[in-house]
Amino acid sequence: GQQVMQIPQYQHVQEGEDFTTYCNSSTTLSNIQWYKQRPGGHPVFLIQLVKSGEVKKQKRLTFQFGEAKKNSSLHITATQTTDVGTYFCARTWAGTALIFGKGTTLSVSS
Amino acid sequence: DTAVSQTPKYLVTQMGNDKSIKCEQNLGHDTMYWYKQDSKKFLKIMFSYNNKELIINETVPNRFSPKSPDKAHLNLHINSLELGDSAVYFCASSQATGGTEAFFGQGTRLTVV
Repeated sequence: GQQVMQIPQYQHVQEGEDFTTYCNSSTTLSNIQWYKQRPGGHPVFLIQLVKSGEVKKQKRLTFQFGEAKKNSSLHITATQTTDVGTYFCARTWAGTALIFGKGTTLSVSS
Repeated sequence: DTAVSQTPKYLVTQMGNDKSIKCEQNLGHDTMYWYKQDSKKFLKIMFSYNNKELIINETVPNRFSPKSPDKAHLNLHINSLELGDSAVYFCASSQATGGTEAFFGQGTRLTVV
């Protein structure tokens, strides 16, 4: 139904390694949003993808929306300790609310 | 000025008590939400309000009652608190219902003992 599946649940990397989190839906999405929550903090909006096959970059972060608009990914190149946190994808449900994936918690060791 | 502010930040209370969490947004948004985040960090939508009208009530026990006195405020009242209510509660707002960026408050960590 409305849930978006997000994997992996946890990921630990060495500083400088790359990181990717994936978000999948069984139904076609009108859009997908990504949020970051630092430890002890609140979710903060990163980006919204709307178009099929869309790719957007924010410095070391690359966001993709699948051609079928059923999946999305967030890739971080050369992770830094400041990237630590939980990354959530979120879908619009029935035009009324944002439904979040379960998140991927990233830890980075220096 | 904080865009979405909620109080209190921490709340420790005994089982059976009634408590309220307040939320205010100064962004002029039409839509406000309450989310519950459990210990596994899962963000679960509880309520969605648009222009003071309830549009989503997601299988939340009726001990939880949201109240929106005006478009800028959405408070959450909880009756007869249970241990399982312990979580972080986030208020959020967006310009419209879905499809637009949501702004979150700092969260209220509720601990029921």
